[in-house]
Amino acid sequence: TQLLEQSPQFLSIQEGENLTVYCNSSSVFSSLQWYRQEPGEGPVLLVTVVTGGEVKKLKRLTFQFGDARKDSSLHITAAQPGDTGLYLCAGALSPSGGYNKLIFGAGTRLAVHP
Amino acid sequence: SQTIHQWPATLVQPVGSPLSLECTVEGTSNPNLYWYRQAAGRGLQLLFYSVGIGQISSEVPQNLSASRPQDRQFILSSKKLLLSDSGFYLCAWSVGLLAHEQFFGPGTRLTVL
Repeated sequence: TQLLEQSPQFLSIQEGENLTVYCNSSSVFSSLQWYRQEPGEGPVLLVTVVTGGEVKKLKRLTFQFGDARKDSSLHITAAQPGDTGLYLCAGALSPSGGYNKLIFGAGTRLAVHP
Repeated sequence: SQTIHQWPATLVQPVGSPLSLECTVEGTSNPNLYWYRQAAGRGLQLLFYSVGIGQISSEVPQNLSASRPQDRQFILSSKKLLLSDSGFYLCAWSVGLLAHEQFFGPGTRLTVL
């Protein structure tokens, strides 16, 4: 069974603080996606990382893919209340039966207080 | 641009009643389509995926079934709902069989009483 462990499960911080969310697995992924989800809505794709060691930046968000493509991190600098939401990582396994299956982490619920 | 629709947005059904949730995609052809279920505030579990009309693959044994009667339409059904079928159901699409990225619809909140 492929697992993608995400930590922490919950994070409550003040506006302006920095934070890091982690996704770890024993499986090697062909890529890894990060999504953000608002209550009652579908997840929205933030970024895809493909190459081991890859770093992508999206404004105050920095995403990193581990060298071995088994883990990833999301770092938010100077968090704002608008960053509040559920952050999900999803790893794409190598094609099996011609299909790239996504394995989702359990999510990190982030609350940023003004 | 591509858009994905799901309806209804919310549904309350008694145990033992039938279910039909619909998902449609616009702005793309021959998408791969997926049904996920999400427990309250948690990760997603893949239920079904489809690579074409009439082609359905099931990921987990369950009380639900899926059908794809048209290229951009995906339906999730049940003949008799169980309490454990309650949850947030999400439809997603991707283009290309080996596509890494999936794009999600707004979801349907199902409560079985």
